[in-house]
Amino acid sequence: QLQLQESGPGLVKPSEALSLTCAVSGDSISSGNNYWGWIRQPPGQGLEWIASMYYGGSPYYNPSLKSRVTISVDTSENQLSLKLSSVTAADTAVYYCARQASMNWFDTWGQGILVSVSS
Amino acid sequence: EIVMTQSPATLSVSPGERATLSCRASQSVGSNLAWYQRKPGQAPRLLIFGASSRATGIPARFSGSGSGTEFTLTISSLQSEDFAVYYCQQYNYWPPVTFGGGTKVEIK
Repeated sequence: QLQLQESGPGLVKPSEALSLTCAVSGDSISSGNNYWGWIRQPPGQGLEWIASMYYGGSPYYNPSLKSRVTISVDTSENQLSLKLSSVTAADTAVYYCARQASMNWFDTWGQGILVSVSS
Repeated sequence: EIVMTQSPATLSVSPGERATLSCRASQSVGSNLAWYQRKPGQAPRLLIFGASSRATGIPARFSGSGSGTEFTLTISSLQSEDFAVYYCQQYNYWPPVTFGGGTKVEIK
């Protein structure tokens, strides 16, 4: 059974970088036609897609965040990573990783991790 | 960017009643639409993809319909576990993938 688990710091200072990891079990991140992505949800707001990538392919980024975001995969660890630079309070959110089936819908999600940006 | 608009923002329904949720796209997305359920403290769950296909393990009381710019998620007879927030997502034109703002289904 596919499972995804996000990890990383729960608190990041303004202007610093946010780094998260998503451990994938039950599927290989380098197999199939699946993309792997990050989505976030700020408090009281809706879902916002951040980025997606396919092993061996080019990443896709939300234009609104593109200048600050890097997504990557580590096949040796079977994990997905996200780095968001120069964070502000507006980046406070629950961050989810998810498998994006065939470049379309997100069929399995992690539990999410709350990241707060505060000094 | 395709803007997804969901209505109503909140829907008050009694257990056993039907719930009808709407999602509108700012331009046609064909049938490239998914629906998700999110409960507090839980991961979002895929309900519907391709506008009308139920995901694995989703009860038959959940059904999706529509194409182009107008979509509907119907829960035929609300159960206690169905009170949650529901989101639609288009994947016809991306990046960016876009989600609707959500509809909260609450107990009347």
